[in-house]
Amino acid sequence: EAQVTQNPRYLITVTGKKLTVTCSQNMNHEYMSWYRQDPGLGLRQIYYSMNVEVTDKGDVPEGYKVSRKEKRNFPLILESPSPNQTSLYFCASSLQGAGGRYSGANVLTFGAGSRLTVL
Amino acid sequence: EDQVTQSPEALRLQEGESSSLNCSYTVSGLRGLFWYRQDPGKGPEFLFTLYSAGEEKEKERLKATLTKKESFLHITAPKPEDSATYLCAVHTGNQFYFGTGTSLTVIP
Repeated sequence: EAQVTQNPRYLITVTGKKLTVTCSQNMNHEYMSWYRQDPGLGLRQIYYSMNVEVTDKGDVPEGYKVSRKEKRNFPLILESPSPNQTSLYFCASSLQGAGGRYSGANVLTFGAGSRLTVL
Repeated sequence: EDQVTQSPEALRLQEGESSSLNCSYTVSGLRGLFWYRQDPGKGPEFLFTLYSAGEEKEKERLKATLTKKESFLHITAPKPEDSATYLCAVHTGNQFYFGTGTSLTVIP
């Protein structure tokens, strides 16, 4: 089954304790991205990756790191989590990021979400 | 500044009562406008992509339209199973910008 898999789904941690949220896709997609979803603010892009070894900041990158060493994996790293990073996080991928108007190439497939609480 | 605004924030409809959701946008270099459906506790699921003003897409009771400044998601004769949050997003090449969504409740 074509899917984006995130782990963990739920996590409670304490301020300053480094954590990693993993994301893996099995669709050979080039483009991957991370979002956080907060009430009243909607989905906001944290980081995105156009392809292996190519990453760039989204709208809210502060406090986060990412890496794209393999095409299928795009982990989100919180080096020193703080309470304002308590949120619902989604990983998503698409066949292409930039590009023309090939129908379907930019459609995002989302993971099930990871709910993170930082105390 | 790229911006996507959805209205209304919440909508309650009786079963069978048709209505429309609005997504207005101000972006430079629109590469596509997307509609997603999100059920509680789940990730968004793709509904439609629109690329050009005047374009329309339909799927069951849903129809999406696009102008140069906004998109509408028309819901005809909705059923309770259409209850969800509907998200609009614009694609500007490398990034996607999402609206805050419209929470739709369809009452039997």
